Amino acid sequence: RKEVEQDPGPFNVPEGATVAFNCTYSNSASQSFFWYRQDCRKEPKLLMSVYSSGNEDGRFTAQLNRASQYISLLIRDSKLSDSATYLCVPERDTDKLIFGTGTRLQVFP
Amino acid sequence: DAGITQSPRYKITETGRQVTLMCHQTWSHSYMFWYRQDLGHGLRLIYYSAAADITDKGEVPDGYVVSRSKTENFPLTLESATRSQTSVYFCASAVSYEQYFGPGTRLTVT
Repeated sequence: RKEVEQDPGPFNVPEGATVAFNCTYSNSASQSFFWYRQDCRKEPKLLMSVYSSGNEDGRFTAQLNRASQYISLLIRDSKLSDSATYLCVPERDTDKLIFGTGTRLQVFP
Repeated sequence: DAGITQSPRYKITETGRQVTLMCHQTWSHSYMFWYRQDLGHGLRLIYYSAAADITDKGEVPDGYVVSRSKTENFPLTLESATRSQTSVYFCASAVSYEQYFGPGTRLTVT
């Protein structure tokens, strides 16, 4: 089983739509989780940190289910500028993170 | 300006040459990391450092050397570049597991 599994997409959604990405992870010891966004050919940027059951920041909501080893990211009222690849990133062990290949989102007018 | 910078941003080198990629951060973060990213792969950890003079291998360290004599700098050296090392290289620094990335170096080995 892969350490991090995400649907690669692409998810094509119209502006204003709500979209959700799911992620499963295999390391039950992971305590910290992050969502990063990465624009084409650019560096990953931290979008949200999740240390407990979830986190919300404006249009973005992350939820964590430790029992199922599952984390999700919900984006409400999608904007064209949300088009990017979204990386679910669990902590592997002390200091290190696990990066998968992410889910690609394309928001169209 | 505060942040994390990488140089050069683009580099073309020949097989067998030594090349060094530079990474500099102004936050005084203890942890720093080097990743490579290739099509179809996620970020793969090459080396990381918990503090000055402390470095450790990641998933794909072969062919690379790092040093960290100062907290703010973490150079990555390819001792004898190979075509398989053509990639985008990202440096990151971290506080409380949250990693912040530099803009990347696109390296092509011919």
